[in-house]
This record gives sequence, C-alpha cells and structure tokens, in this order.
Amino acid sequence: ETGVTQTPRHLVMGMTNKKSLKCEQHLGHNAMYWYKQSAKKPLELMFVYSLEERVENNSVPSRFSPECPNSSHLFLHLHTLQPEDSALYLCASSQELQGAFGYTFGSGTRLTVV
Amino acid sequence: QKEVEQNSGPLSVPEGAIASLNCTYSDRGSQSFFWYRQYSGKSPELIMFIYSNGDKEDGRFTAQLNKASQYVSLLIRDSQPSDSATYLCAVNSPGGATNKLIFGTGTLLAVQP
Repeated sequence: ETGVTQTPRHLVMGMTNKKSLKCEQHLGHNAMYWYKQSAKKPLELMFVYSLEERVENNSVPSRFSPECPNSSHLFLHLHTLQPEDSALYLCASSQELQGAFGYTFGSGTRLTVV
Repeated sequence: QKEVEQNSGPLSVPEGAIASLNCTYSDRGSQSFFWYRQYSGKSPELIMFIYSNGDKEDGRFTAQLNKASQYVSLLIRDSQPSDSATYLCAVNSPGGATNKLIFGTGTLLAVQP
C-alpha cells in the first residue's frame, strides 16, 4: 500500500446511523487532515492533526467526531447526520504541519445521508 | 475571510492549444501556492507548486506567480483531451495554530479533440 488510502469508497447511511470513515497514510507524514467537498463549493477544512494531536477544529458540528490514534491513522466518526452532510470526504496528509510542499489526498469517501 | 477565487468555467480549448487558468487570492501573507488537478469522481492530485514571483516550468505546465497583484496562473501547453479535469488553486496562508491550504472552487477545463 502506498500513499493515502481511505475506506469505504462509498457509504450510504440513515440519519440515525453511526458509521466511521478510515484514513491511513503510508508516507511517514506528520500531519493529517479531513476535508469536505460539496458540489460547487471549495474544499472545506474540517480538522487538522499533528502527531496525533488535534490542532484545529473549524467549527464543525459535533455530529462529526475525529480520532487520531497514531500518526498514520485518522478516523471520522459520524452520528445523527443530516442530508446536507452528503458530500465527498477527503483525507490528506503532509510532511509537516506547515504543508510547505502541499498535501497528498486520499481517494475520498462519497457519503450519502438518506 | 481569506479567499481564493477562480472562474468556474468551463474553459474550452482545442487540442494542442494553450490553456490558461487563473486564480486570485486575498491574503497578502500567503507564502506558497499550489495547483491540483481533479478528475471527475477522483481526489485532487498535486501537479505544481510555486513560492517565488515569476514562472516555474515542469513539462507542459507553467505556474506563474505575481504576489504584488495577488494572482497565480497555470498554463498548459499542447493541451490534450486527457487534461480535461477541474483544476484547483490552493494557497497556503499563515494564521491560527497552523498554516492551512485554502482552496478555490476550481476551474473546469475541457479540451476538445
């Protein structure tokens, strides 16, 4: 496995369900990120982790709960979502927190809330 | 509110032509600038980054940066149908606990065979 891998690729969930998105990076990077991409909107930064410590939370509703057990893994736990939360959720990593060389993105999870 | 602006397009160019994609940003403190390519249904892929004023060339791609005017552009020479994708401009802006990448909405490029 190389790069940044995300699972599942597609997820359909009801508003009362609980599910988790998983991200794993094999690049030895120290920072990881969750982004949300909705149609015709810029990528929205949700959470930033550096060496397993959350350094930024961009006013994300509490129905989204991140977890970073180690520097290679990042989870996004979902519960009681709304239909407007349907989007492409992208995980990214960078060598260091400053992101001077840009981010490497995973393939994303396409989430549909019904 | 730090912003990155792009024309959403679509920008249609014939095969073999030069495609010119433009981006403006609001934060004068921005330090590094990135172009990502995103095919439909896929994740963004980094194709160029630039830090200094002027041009940076990599194969058929040239990134141009003008910090005084706060714009960055991407030129694609000899455009191919396989270049058809959405091109995202991203700006690394300092602030808060960390620098962060601020993205534009992207420009859809369509290269006509």
